[in-house]
Amino acid sequence: GAGVSQTPSNKVTEKGKYVELRCDPISGHTALYWYRQSLGQGPEFLIYFQGTGAADDSGLPNDRFFAVRPEGSVSTLKIQRTERGDSAVYLCASSLTAGGNTIYFGEGSWLTVV
Amino acid sequence: DQQVKQNSPSLSVQEGRISILNCDYTNSMFDYFLWYKKYPAEGPTFLISISSIKDKNEDGRFTVFLNKSAKHLSLHIVPSQPGDSAVYFCAASSQGQGAQKLVFGQGTRLTINP
Repeated sequence: GAGVSQTPSNKVTEKGKYVELRCDPISGHTALYWYRQSLGQGPEFLIYFQGTGAADDSGLPNDRFFAVRPEGSVSTLKIQRTERGDSAVYLCASSLTAGGNTIYFGEGSWLTVV
Repeated sequence: DQQVKQNSPSLSVQEGRISILNCDYTNSMFDYFLWYKKYPAEGPTFLISISSIKDKNEDGRFTVFLNKSAKHLSLHIVPSQPGDSAVYFCAASSQGQGAQKLVFGQGTRLTINP
C-alpha cells in the first residue's frame, strides 16, 4: 500500500498476556518510529529506528516494551506481561530519512488490556 | 512535565471565519515545529511546519506563526471549512537532538459550524 500499515487495528488482551503489534512503513522509508497515544493526550515518543538499529529507545516506559526491525523494513512492537495502563493507541510512523523530513503516521493499533 | 502545551481542549468556529489554534512550549532547545491534523480512527496527518529561523510560514489556507521570545506558535486557518473539523496537534523537536523525536501537545478539537 501507499501509506504506513499497522496490524492489528484493534486488540483486546487480558492483563499479563504478551502482545505484538506490527508496522509496515512506506516503501523506501529508512526511518521508522513508534508513538503511544493515551486518551485525551497527544502522541508520546517510544522508539525510533534508522535502518535495522534502534537509534533512540529513550521513550520506552520500561523493560516490558521491546521493538525490533530485523530487515530494516517491517517493525514489531512487543509488550510483555501487559498491564491495564498499557491500554492506548500505538502509532507507527515512517519518514524517508531521519531528521527534517515529514513523518507519516499509520492509523494506529488500539490496544485494550482488560 | 508538559513541554508542549495546547491550553484549549476545544474550539468552535463558524464556517468562513478564521480559526486560530494556539500552542506554547517551554524547552528553548526546540527549533522545529509542526502541526498535525487528526480525524477519528485515523493517524495524524502532517499539515504545516516552521523552522525557528522563520516567524511565519504559509500554505494555502493555513499559516503558522512563531514567536520565539514568547515560546508561542499559532495556526491560522482562513477561511474555515466544515472539513477542517478535527483534532489539531502541535509538535516540536530539536534538530540538535535529532528532529525525529517529536514532542506533542495534548491537542485541540476544532469544530466548524455551518
